Amino acid sequence: KNQVEQSPQSLIILEGKNCTLQCNYTVSPFSNLRWYKQDTGRGPVSLTIMTFSENTKSNGRYTATLDADTKQSSLHITASQLSDSASYICVVSAGNNAGNMLTFGGGTRLMVKP
Amino acid sequence: EAQVTQNPRYLITVTGKKLTVTCSQNMNHEYMSWYRQDPGLGLRQIYYSMNVEVTDKGDVPEGYKVSRKEKRNFPLILESPSPNQTSLYFCASSWDRNTEAFFGQGTRLTVV
Repeated sequence: KNQVEQSPQSLIILEGKNCTLQCNYTVSPFSNLRWYKQDTGRGPVSLTIMTFSENTKSNGRYTATLDADTKQSSLHITASQLSDSASYICVVSAGNNAGNMLTFGGGTRLMVKP
Repeated sequence: EAQVTQNPRYLITVTGKKLTVTCSQNMNHEYMSWYRQDPGLGLRQIYYSMNVEVTDKGDVPEGYKVSRKEKRNFPLILESPSPNQTSLYFCASSWDRNTEAFFGQGTRLTVV
């Protein structure tokens, strides 16, 4: 069964600090891995998409890494801001012909305090 | 502005009263899907559509219907809502199943 596990479930950091969120997956065959940011009560917004051949991808202060061998990804947030407070969701896409091939992680809830 | 629009944003209804949540996208995307999000369960796919007149079940389709008569619209229909369908619903669209998905703002549904 395809699964995506995220850790930690929640995290509190001080403004200006860095943090790293983890995502482990068992999805086969692998197509791509996505990180989304979701503000409370709003729709998820895409941060990055990485395919098998990509090891790292940045979007401003967000940097995602992918290790396809160990089936792990991380999202690193640099110099956190109060607006980074949100849930971060890891989503892995399976490389089959089915249309319903997305497996969602449970998310990491990040709170940035002043 | 590229966007996915859902309506209504909030809805309280009674058990058994048919309702429709609309979803429209202005990006000419072929792939559209519906999700529900519940505490502790994350996002789960209800139905998806790979193109006009092509729809299929996701992980939790029971109690829902969809239609895709035109590319931009993908309504979610609850023929006889029940309290266990109380949830936060999201519509999403993308060029295809492998590209970035754009999500709507969500519809918070309460069935009493």
